[in-house]
Amino acid sequence: AQTVTQSQPEMSVQEAETVTLSCTYDTSENNYYLFWYKQPPSRQMILVIRQEAYKQQNATENRFSVNFQKAAKSFSLKISDSQLGDTAMYFCAFKGTSGSRLTFGEGTQLTVNP
Amino acid sequence: DAGVIQSPRHEVTEMGQEVTLRCKPISGHNSLFWYRQTMMRGLELLIYFNNNVPIDDSGMPEDRFSAKMPNASFSTLKIQPSEPRDSAVYFCASGLADNSPLHFGNGTRLTVT
Repeated sequence: AQTVTQSQPEMSVQEAETVTLSCTYDTSENNYYLFWYKQPPSRQMILVIRQEAYKQQNATENRFSVNFQKAAKSFSLKISDSQLGDTAMYFCAFKGTSGSRLTFGEGTQLTVNP
Repeated sequence: DAGVIQSPRHEVTEMGQEVTLRCKPISGHNSLFWYRQTMMRGLELLIYFNNNVPIDDSGMPEDRFSAKMPNASFSTLKIQPSEPRDSAVYFCASGLADNSPLHFGNGTRLTVT
């Protein structure tokens, strides 16, 4: 079974600065997909970014980018130029090719301070 | 598209009562998931369907929980009888059985007193 671990329950960053959220996972599959979701206080689950394991290039979406290290089974999220609206719970998620289910990490609560 | 639609948004009920949560997935999606979110346990997968067929219900806590998907556009999660420990936010999500991400509804916050 796959597992996803987020070792940082809480993090904070000053507005306009950069922050990195950590995620590691465990799987025996060679091809799979990784996602970061954001959950603001409204509790809506919003997709932030995704990465396909067979792609070596790290995914980027505007101020959000990932550092995908397949050998280390690490998938960190970098948020540049942090904004107050980035304050939310961030979940790392794994999706294998053998099924369509998503396995989530425990989440990291990010607070952006003015 | 309106996205995944869940109802009700909030539900408050007394212990022992039956609770039914509803979900309308995004049209064209062939997978539907029910997740439960609590502070203690995070996001837990309860059950998921592919093409209206339950594939994995190993996450359903106990026999008090049941889920159905009578057609491609509707699913229910029922708790009977409800207990205070069932209090949580219940999410429905839909997607395709490929590398695409899941799309979540806004969740139902259930409080059992």
